[in-house]
Amino acid sequence: GESVGLHLPTLSVQEGDNSIINCAYSNSASDYFIWYKQESGKGPQFIIDIRSNMDKRQGQRVTVLLNKTVKHLSLQIAATQPGDSAVYFCAARVGGYQKVTFGTGTKLQVIP
Amino acid sequence: DGGITQSPKYLFRKEGQNVTLSCEQNLNHDAMYWYRQDPGQGLRLIYYSQIVNDFQKGDIAEGYSVSREKKESFPLTVTSAQKNPTAFYLCASKEGPSNTEAFFGQGTRLTVV
Repeated sequence: GESVGLHLPTLSVQEGDNSIINCAYSNSASDYFIWYKQESGKGPQFIIDIRSNMDKRQGQRVTVLLNKTVKHLSLQIAATQPGDSAVYFCAARVGGYQKVTFGTGTKLQVIP
Repeated sequence: DGGITQSPKYLFRKEGQNVTLSCEQNLNHDAMYWYRQDPGQGLRLIYYSQIVNDFQKGDIAEGYSVSREKKESFPLTVTSAQKNPTAFYLCASKEGPSNTEAFFGQGTRLTVV
């Protein structure tokens, strides 16, 4: 199986600073990873993904880093804005497409 | 607008009653999923369907049932056999089982009173 965890339940960041949200996974056979953002009372929204044959992927203001050696991935948000306040989930897929395991989430609080 | 719609947003149920949560998508996606979200826990897969008239149990299917009679609809029934039904339920869809990005609905918060 797979278990996915996040290092901190809550992360407070000053507006304009960079945010780093970390995630650890347990199964070295995980081949695909996704970060989701979930605002209060809403469904998760896809942010960025990365396959296991990559170690870095960049999007708009976001970067995902994957370290397969220690089974760790991180989401970096540049110039954090108040609209970034949400819960962020990482998810890992092991083999089959339907087996995506979600982490418990980190709540990002942006301090104006 | 294309998207995935869950209804209702809030649902109250008396203990011992079955209740059905609606999930409709107009994205022409083949694959649909139901997840349960509890405080402090990640999303857990209840049921999924890769194609019309087919569905599979996820990790926590006990006490739930689904149907997939139409491509755009994947209703979830929470039965009286579900011991702890109070939760936030999320429906998602993907273009196909092997596609990566899943689109989520806004969720239904079910409370058993």
